[in-house]
Amino acid sequence: AQSVSQHNHHVILSEAASLELGCNYSYGGTVNLFWYVQYPGQHLQLLLKYFSGDPLVKGIKGFEAEFIKSKFSFNLRKPSVQWSDTAEYFCAVILYNTDKLIFGTGTRLQVFP
Amino acid sequence: EPEVTQTPSHQVTQMGQEVILRCVPISNHLYFYWYRQILGQKVEFLVSFYNNEISEKSEIFDDQFSVERPDGSNFTLKIRSTKLEDSAMYFCARSGTSDTQYFGPGTRLTVL
Repeated sequence: AQSVSQHNHHVILSEAASLELGCNYSYGGTVNLFWYVQYPGQHLQLLLKYFSGDPLVKGIKGFEAEFIKSKFSFNLRKPSVQWSDTAEYFCAVILYNTDKLIFGTGTRLQVFP
Repeated sequence: EPEVTQTPSHQVTQMGQEVILRCVPISNHLYFYWYRQILGQKVEFLVSFYNNEISEKSEIFDDQFSVERPDGSNFTLKIRSTKLEDSAMYFCARSGTSDTQYFGPGTRLTVL
């Protein structure tokens, strides 16, 4: 069955540290890829997405992600995190010709000032 | 701001009771989705709904679940006879461009 893996369950950083959250998926066909963020007490918000073209995509709030097809990966990065980035981050994929988002288990990020 | 609103924000019910969760789009959309997240687990797809018909559903979406758009605006998820394991956050989403889905704030369902 298709799945999405997020290897980091809980990440703790100090402000200004660099961030990379891993995401791998298991599916050999065409996918669209997403990162969603859920700030404490808020709804899931789209951070960025990849459909085609340049594999390095930029999202809101200085986040970016790189799609590496050969590694089935879509890692999320930010050069310098802020306290306000404290949230849960979800990687998700949609397989070609389906409706459903398949989510990873999420990574809880805590940033300390 | 969420792309859809959901009511109620929290629903507490007794096992065996029926519950109806509501989703109201901010603007007029045709494509909707329901997901749930059991505490500590992944967000899971339940069902997609397009133009008043179910488009796709997961194995979780069994006969005790149903969806409809009764008045052309609200989009509802009904659970006929709730079980303890139905306790979860239920998220509604609406479609955007190119497979993008925009989520509501969720309804926390607690089954006692």
